[in-house]
Amino acid sequence: QVQLVESGGGLVKPGGSLRLSCAASGFTFSDYYMSWMRQAPGKGLEWVSYISTSGTYTKYADSVKGRFTISRDNAKNSLYLQMNSLRAEDTAVYYCAILRRGYSYGPFDYWGQGTLVTVSS
Amino acid sequence: DIQMTQSPSSVSASVGDRVTITCRASQGISSWLAWYQQKPGKAPKLLIYAASSLQSGVPSRFSGSGSGTDFSLTISSLQPEDFATYYCQQANSFPSTFGQGTKVEI
Repeated sequence: QVQLVESGGGLVKPGGSLRLSCAASGFTFSDYYMSWMRQAPGKGLEWVSYISTSGTYTKYADSVKGRFTISRDNAKNSLYLQMNSLRAEDTAVYYCAILRRGYSYGPFDYWGQGTLVTVSS
Repeated sequence: DIQMTQSPSSVSASVGDRVTITCRASQGISSWLAWYQQKPGKAPKLLIYAASSLQSGVPSRFSGSGSGTDFSLTISSLQPEDFATYYCQQANSFPSTFGQGTKVEI
C-alpha cells in the first residue's frame, strides 16, 4: 500500500535552516509529481511547492519562494524540502503528498502523516 | 490567486443527519475542485475530485456537485466517523488554494 513518511522536523531559531525528507513506498515514485503542503497550528491547508517526475520542473508559493528548495531522489524514492531563512510564520505541520497523474494542480491522492516544524527563539 | 470560501465554518449535526457544505471560488474553475476530510492529528484524506467523482474506497454517502464558482459536498446520512473538518481545494490554476475548512461536530 502507498506510504509516505515525513521526517526532519523540529525546533529551529528564526533565520535557521532545516531539511525535511519524505520516504515513499508502495507505488512507482518516479512516475508521479510530488508536493509539499503545510498547516499552521489550528489553521487551514496551504500548498507550498511541487516537483516534476524528473525533478526538472519546480514551483513554489510566493510565501516561500527564494527560501525553500524542493528536490527528489528517484533512486532512493525520496522527496526533500530544504528550508532556509526560516520565519515564525513557517511554523506548521509539513505534509508530502502525491499529485494525481495527468493533473496539474490537484487532486492530491495520498498524504503523509506530517512532520512539525517550529520556528522560535 | 483564486480565493476559496467555505460555508458554514462549522456545523452541528447528529448521526443520521444530511449535511451540506458549500465552497465558492473567486473566479470560475470549471470542475477543478476536490474535497478532503481531516480528523484531528491526522493527514487530509481525498474524498471527491473533479467536483463530483468519488475517490476509490470512499463511502457513497459522500457526494459532490457544482461547476464554475459554486460547489457543494453532501453527506447523506452522517456517521460517527464523519465528524471531522472538510476542506475544498481548487485545482484549476497555479497556485492551488484551499478553503478555510468546515468543522462538522456534534
